[in-house]
Amino acid sequence: AQTVTQSQPEMSVQEAETVTLSCTYDTSESNYYLFWYKQPPSRQMILVIRQEAYKQQNATENRFSVNFQKAAKSFSLKISDSQLGDTAMYFCAFIFYNNNDMRFGAGTRLTVKP
Amino acid sequence: DAGITQSPRHKVTETGTPVTLRCHQTENHRYMYWYRQDPGHGLRLIHYSYGVKDTDKGEVSDGYSVSRSKTEDFLLTLESATSSQTSVYFCAISDPLRQQETQYFGPGTRLLVL
Repeated sequence: AQTVTQSQPEMSVQEAETVTLSCTYDTSESNYYLFWYKQPPSRQMILVIRQEAYKQQNATENRFSVNFQKAAKSFSLKISDSQLGDTAMYFCAFIFYNNNDMRFGAGTRLTVKP
Repeated sequence: DAGITQSPRHKVTETGTPVTLRCHQTENHRYMYWYRQDPGHGLRLIHYSYGVKDTDKGEVSDGYSVSRSKTEDFLLTLESATSSQTSVYFCAISDPLRQQETQYFGPGTRLLVL
């Protein structure tokens, strides 16, 4: 079964600076999708960004971008111009193509300091 | 936000009692999921449904059952609650016609089993 590892339990960043959250995964398959979800103190799980494994181009969504390294099985999230509202738990997730069992990492707690 | 509601949002119960959690969606998505979130584990899939009356087990299905009699409702039942089922429970939805692999989450239900 695939596993997802987030090696940074906690991180902090100053407001307006850039921070990168790490994620690695383990699979022998080639068709899959990767996600970053944000969970603020409200507990709501919010989709941040999505990446298809067959696409070489890294996904971007406004201040959020990923560095997808398929050979290294690495999927990091970069947050630029960090804002106080970015304070949250961030979860990396993985799912095979045409599958329904999404696997999550344990999460990284990010604190943005004023 | 996806039209997903969960009820109740909080529940305290005693060991051995039955508990039913409800997930309701207004998006007409075909797939519905139940996850539990525990510290250090991220989210883990309990059961999912791929249509009315069609369900399947996930990674941590022991002690749980589900039912789906209508497209919009997905019920999770703990037949006899145990303290190990104290957790936060999330419902999610997805649809094969709208990026099946991308799941959208409800607000969560916090369950405490005493």
